[in-house]
Amino acid sequence: AQTVTQSQPEMSVQEAETVTLSCTYDTSENNYYLFWYKQPPSRQMILVIRQEAYKQQNATENRFSVNFQKAAKSFSLKISDSQLGDTAMYFCAFINLAGYALNFGKGTSLLVTP
Amino acid sequence: DGGITQSPKYLFRKEGQNVTLSCEQNLNHDAMYWYRQDPGQGLRLIYYSQIVNDFQKGDIAEGYSVSREKKESFPLTVTSAQKNPTAFYLCASRPGDYGYTFGSGTRLTVV
Repeated sequence: AQTVTQSQPEMSVQEAETVTLSCTYDTSENNYYLFWYKQPPSRQMILVIRQEAYKQQNATENRFSVNFQKAAKSFSLKISDSQLGDTAMYFCAFINLAGYALNFGKGTSLLVTP
Repeated sequence: DGGITQSPKYLFRKEGQNVTLSCEQNLNHDAMYWYRQDPGQGLRLIYYSQIVNDFQKGDIAEGYSVSREKKESFPLTVTSAQKNPTAFYLCASRPGDYGYTFGSGTRLTVV
């Protein structure tokens, strides 16, 4: 079974600073997808960023970028210029190409302070 | 606008009762999912359906049942056999590109 591990239950960062959230995963497959989802206090799940394992280039979406280390099975999320609206739970998720459903980590609660 | 609608937003269940959570999508997605979210546990898969009239158990299916009679609808019934049903329930759908679209969730509380 695939597992996704987020080792930081809680983190905080000051506004305008940069923060990195960690995620590791376990799989024997070579082709898969990785995701970061954001869940703000409204509890609506929002896709932040997605990475295909066959792509060596790290995905970037505005202030959000990832550091994808395939050999190390690591997929960290970097948030630059943190904003108060970034306060949320962040979930790392994984699916094999032949998989049927996303596997989620337990989440990291991020607090952005003024 | 296309999306997933979950209802109700809040639901209260008495001991021994069955309750049904609604999930409707107008995205024309084939695959639909139910997840349960508890504090500190992340999202755990209850059931999923990849096509109409077919569904499969996820990791924590005991005490739950589903149906998939229409492509748009994937209701979840929490039965009296589920001993600890208080949780936040999320429904999701997926086209073919592995990204989920989520509903806004239902908060179920046992009273």
